[in-house]
Amino acid sequence: QVQLVESGGDVVQPGRSLRLSCAASGFAFSHEVMHWARQAPGKGLEWVARISHDGVYKQFADSAKGRFTISRDNSKNTLYLQMSNLRAEDTAVYYCAKDLNNKWSLDYWGQGTLVTVSS
Amino acid sequence: DIVMTQTPLSSPVTLGQPASISCRSSQSLVTSDGDTYLSWLQQRPGQPPRLLIYEISNRFSGVPDRFSGSGAGTDFTLKISRVEAEDVGIYYCMQATQFPWTFGQGTKVEIK
Repeated sequence: QVQLVESGGDVVQPGRSLRLSCAASGFAFSHEVMHWARQAPGKGLEWVARISHDGVYKQFADSAKGRFTISRDNSKNTLYLQMSNLRAEDTAVYYCAKDLNNKWSLDYWGQGTLVTVSS
Repeated sequence: DIVMTQTPLSSPVTLGQPASISCRSSQSLVTSDGDTYLSWLQQRPGQPPRLLIYEISNRFSGVPDRFSGSGAGTDFTLKISRVEAEDVGIYYCMQATQFPWTFGQGTKVEIK
């Protein structure tokens, strides 16, 4: 069965960096587009970034452009989100999600990892 | 960015009764190929989101048939034919026609 397990969430000070990881199993990771989304405490969902199956093509939300980088290691079945210059408004649970192949949706989500940006 | 607006934001429902959630996009979600990338997701309390419906009306694997989606262009609806206790949660519409993908604010479904 599809499993996505995020890790790396932490409490960090504003302006610092953090890298999140998402370990994938139960499907052909190297064939699938992957995403990051987030949810601030008590708030709705926000799409953050998308990466093609081969890591060549990437798209970002405006809130992430220039500060966040999405990458993947298909040999390790792992997705990453490198976040820099973190702000208080980046505080959220970060989810990795698998793309519903060719259907432009998000079919499986991990349990999420909490990032808190606070001094 | 495409803005997704859901109504109502809260929906108290009696068990066994139907529920309906509307979602309106600020521009048409129809692509140049004629596809419409509108999905519905459910988030139960304390859980990650779960895909219910994709491309307006296609139920994802394992989703009960009491959930149905309809609509076109800019107006879409999610219907639950008979609400069960396990349907309590927040429902989001999401568009993937144009980057950035965007979600509605969410509609809270609760039992009266």
